Amino acid sequence: GAGVSQSPRYKVAKRGQDVALRCDPISGHVSLFWYQQALGQGPEFLTYFQNEAQLDKSGLPSDRFFAERPEGSVSTLKIQRTQQEDSAVYLCASSLRQASLSMNTEAFFGQGTRLTVV
Amino acid sequence: AQKITQTQPGMFVQEKEAVTLDCTYDTSDPSYGLFWYKQPSSGEMIFLIYQGSYDQQNATEGRYSLNFQKARKSANLVISASQLGDSAMYFCAMRPNQAGTALIFGKGTTLSVSS
Repeated sequence: GAGVSQSPRYKVAKRGQDVALRCDPISGHVSLFWYQQALGQGPEFLTYFQNEAQLDKSGLPSDRFFAERPEGSVSTLKIQRTQQEDSAVYLCASSLRQASLSMNTEAFFGQGTRLTVV
Repeated sequence: AQKITQTQPGMFVQEKEAVTLDCTYDTSDPSYGLFWYKQPSSGEMIFLIYQGSYDQQNATEGRYSLNFQKARKSANLVISASQLGDSAMYFCAMRPNQAGTALIFGKGTTLSVSS
């Protein structure tokens, strides 16, 4: 597609339920990022992939959060045993180049998945 | 600590006027990149403009310009000739060269443009 696509756009989960959020980056983009955006806040980094390798997962808030990008394209962010504090918009972004090679690596964002845990 | 500060929760401007959105940053890295993104109500983050720490001139992209004052560690966004479609949330972000690959975002400023 032309841009970064995320699905679902909206997800309501009962507390304790597992959820999986999908990101389709722009074709050919090497770098893929996941961010978490709480209401009224700026996005906060969760994890980074360079192709299929997860090079940085320092932002994942707990071991309930897991991300993968097995073929270096589509990525899935999984949250196990969801809690109310997990309610947020989850943004995916992709960049053409390897992030560490250039600071001017424009990231293209998807529209996000709004997760509400009830 | 790497940090972005946006002190204006909300800004109001009339159509065709210029507006400045403030951003200050904190980093000990000698090289870094500064970004501005627009987030309309649809949720997507739209890239507006980039400034590298070693760039000699302030960045400009159409109606957007970045007032970069390195000594003061500020990177204010100037939007000229505001349009109704500029109403959105605006985020300043930084990528420190040596501190990882992720963007560090501020809390954002809500811009409202009225006719």
